[in-house]
Amino acid sequence: DTAVSQTPKYLVTQMGNDKSIKCEQNLGHDTMYWYKQDSKKFLKIMFSYNNKELIINETVPNRFSPKSPDKAHLNLHINSLELGDSAVYFCASTMGRNEQFFGPGTRLTVL
Amino acid sequence: LAKTTQPISMDSYEGQEVNITCSHNNIATNDYITWYQQFPSQGPRFIIQGYKTKVTNEVASLFIPADRKSSTLSLPRVSLSDTAVYYCLVGENFNKFYFGSGTKLNVKP
Repeated sequence: DTAVSQTPKYLVTQMGNDKSIKCEQNLGHDTMYWYKQDSKKFLKIMFSYNNKELIINETVPNRFSPKSPDKAHLNLHINSLELGDSAVYFCASTMGRNEQFFGPGTRLTVL
Repeated sequence: LAKTTQPISMDSYEGQEVNITCSHNNIATNDYITWYQQFPSQGPRFIIQGYKTKVTNEVASLFIPADRKSSTLSLPRVSLSDTAVYYCLVGENFNKFYFGSGTKLNVKP
């Protein structure tokens, strides 16, 4: 009965590969997010989806593409992975202006 | 985006009250102030949110002066398990939030 879940928890891959990270929330929230946390622990918002519509998109390379098959899922697809993409990626969800619930994170390592 | 400034780190001892102050000089009229806690290898967790004056819940208190250009998170009687990074966020809604570098609180026995 995990509120926000992500898979995989760890992802190790080679430069140039394409990978996806999945996120699911069972809270009935209407907005989901992807964050990137780098080695210095800065949390940067990448995308948010509200009712299947992308409503913000920070200065993120277009190699990153969010995909939301339904309101409960927001997946993150990354093309042509680079060394600098190594980080922890967090999914989160919220309803309105209420608190965000974060997933456990996916640690991506690009070799 | 109303950016925030927090101390990079703080040390405390078990049983003490800890106050972490956040500066947000450019806060807008519709902005709320929210604090999150993050343990190593976990996602951030909501602690408290407020707009003005004082807010208290079972975990912490949030003090906001009249000009709202700063806020103070107060953790009563901290324990070792309160060792974490604390983030102050300011924004009208989560689409406008900015996570700063956070304050790393180290609670010692």
